[in-house]
Amino acid sequence: GQSLEQPSEVTAVEGAIVQINCTYQTSGFYGLSWYQQHDGGAPTFLSYNALDGLEETGRFSSFLSRSDSYGYLLLQELQMKDSASYFCAVPYTDKLIFGTGTRLQVFP
Amino acid sequence: DAGVIQSPRHEVTEMGQEVTLRCKPISGHNSLFWYRQTMMRGLELLIYFNNNVPIDDSGMPEDRFSAKMPNASFSTLKIQPSEPRDSAVYFCASSLGPNSNQPQHFGDGTRLSIL
Repeated sequence: GQSLEQPSEVTAVEGAIVQINCTYQTSGFYGLSWYQQHDGGAPTFLSYNALDGLEETGRFSSFLSRSDSYGYLLLQELQMKDSASYFCAVPYTDKLIFGTGTRLQVFP
Repeated sequence: DAGVIQSPRHEVTEMGQEVTLRCKPISGHNSLFWYRQTMMRGLELLIYFNNNVPIDDSGMPEDRFSAKMPNASFSTLKIQPSEPRDSAVYFCASSLGPNSNQPQHFGDGTRLSIL
């Protein structure tokens, strides 16, 4: 089966850097995705890592280490609007298995 | 570009009633997914279709739940009869294809309350 572990909650202040970790167990691995969901909103795709290393997209970066079955989402220059839940997800056959999500609260 | 469109946005009904949720995927997307989200169970995949064909319905909780995709631009999720424990947010998502590296685009969801 597939399982993912994320911290349930992370807090930070505006302008800071925060890292949200994700460890996974999967039979066969094809990549790690990250989604963002604001309260009352829909999940939106942020990034996908198929290979080891860091992928940067503006203030957000995502990292993957396949040998460690580990990845993280790095958010820089935090803004209030970054307060949301963040989900890592791994593919299993043709579908995605989502983690339980990390709730990020950004304080002024 | 129009995203995934779901209707209704909110539904409140009494237990025992039939509930039908609707979804229009993004044009050109061949894969469609139905999810349920609750605080207790998180985001659960109920069923997904590829080219209008149901591929995996192992997440459908009971026979009370059924889903159809009669054509590439429309899908329904039906609950009959509904029960209070079905209260949740139901999301529909679509992607270009079944490959798991394809981003899934979610609709705004249907917030369902069964009284």
